[in-house]
Amino acid sequence: GAGVSQSPSNKVTEKGKDVELRCDPISGHTALYWYRQSLGQGLEFLIYFQGNSAPDKSGLPSDRFSAERTGGSVSTLTIQRTQQEDSAVYLCASSRTSGGVYNEQFFGPGTRLTVL
Amino acid sequence: QQQVKQSPQSLIVQKGGISIINCAYENTAFDYFPWYQQFPGKGPALLIAIRPDVSEKKEGRFTISFNKSAKQFSLHIMDSQPGDSATYFCAASRVKTSYDKVIFGPGTSLSVIP
Repeated sequence: GAGVSQSPSNKVTEKGKDVELRCDPISGHTALYWYRQSLGQGLEFLIYFQGNSAPDKSGLPSDRFSAERTGGSVSTLTIQRTQQEDSAVYLCASSRTSGGVYNEQFFGPGTRLTVL
Repeated sequence: QQQVKQSPQSLIVQKGGISIINCAYENTAFDYFPWYQQFPGKGPALLIAIRPDVSEKKEGRFTISFNKSAKQFSLHIMDSQPGDSATYFCAASRVKTSYDKVIFGPGTSLSVIP
């Protein structure tokens, strides 16, 4: 079946512009995560959606970052007034709800964002 | 309390050698410990995982050793191959609750040289 997809795969923008990154999770997966990965660095947690619960936004680095998940499926990460330090690969992952067992996170290929 | 520590940051191993990556956690509520492998330009993918009720899990050349009392776990890659060159992330999760957010370690970049 189809995996997690993300679009665009690459995005080049000018400093100060807004960008929207899209994630299509695997059908039926209730959990959705956004991570940021700078070159050669680890996975920086941004936000976690689990079913109908309020999202865990504790990783969002500033109020320029926001995310929503419509209908429990597609998610959009929005970065307003982009800065050069926002340049990174943005990864999305989804998984089934736990239900008492670990459910593997499936990652998308990422969106490489470059802010000039 | 939510943090997962990982070392070393980078590792270079000769082909055929043993690669060892160590992780530690503080929150005893964690009850599942997966390892993810990431190749350049790709998203991470689940490699192997362990629950704290066992001390070791082996899948092929990959083994997780788990020390519950020390709150430490490690990944051993036997007979390391150049194709194992990747970044490895340990992680921890609480699957017995409704809040099963996965906490990742900072990652280890492994290079296996011929």
